[in-house]
Amino acid sequence: EDQVTQSPEALRLQEGESSSLNCSYTVSGLRGLFWYRQDPGKGPEFLFTLYSAGEEKEKERLKATLTKKESFLHITAPKPEDSATYLCAVQSRPVGSARQLTFGSGTQLTVLP
Amino acid sequence: GAVVSQHPSWVICKSGTSVKIECRSLDFQATTMFWYRQFPKQSLMLMATSNEGSKATYEQGVEKDKFLINHASLTLSTLTVTSAHPEDSSFYICSARVFGLQETQYFGPGTRLLVL
Repeated sequence: EDQVTQSPEALRLQEGESSSLNCSYTVSGLRGLFWYRQDPGKGPEFLFTLYSAGEEKEKERLKATLTKKESFLHITAPKPEDSATYLCAVQSRPVGSARQLTFGSGTQLTVLP
Repeated sequence: GAVVSQHPSWVICKSGTSVKIECRSLDFQATTMFWYRQFPKQSLMLMATSNEGSKATYEQGVEKDKFLINHASLTLSTLTVTSAHPEDSSFYICSARVFGLQETQYFGPGTRLLVL
């Protein structure tokens, strides 16, 4: 059974204070790891997909990296508008599956001005 | 691109009534759509997977007769909560997988249901 664990559960940063969010996963065979951002009362917004260890992707102040056991979402010089819950999800390669996503419980990020 | 809409965005209904939620992929075709439920401060819980033109696959513990899913076209899936009760109150979110483009799921904005 696929498992995804995100840490920390909550993170408070000062504006400009860089940090990283962690996503540890256990899957039978990784097909893809996904990062989403979710604002309160809204659906998740797609950020990145990573497919293989060593892969990195960047978007503005965010950078996602992937190893064989975990992924990190690095936030450089965050701004208050980066405050949101960040969700990590994995998709595995089981035979005959609908290729569903397994989500972690998320990290709630608050960036203070 | 890859925009998913949901309608309505929120609904309040009386106990015992049925509520239909629509999920549309606006600028792409989605052979597979997913329906999730989310409780406050919790992550997404997959309810069912629907494929265009076939019956939905429900997750364990999700009542098929309570949550009716129809995926009639490549751009539209509907979730009907039948005989809704207060415990069905929740945030319902759909997602669609872009056909032919990797495996990324794009999510709708969600529908908040309150059953009185």
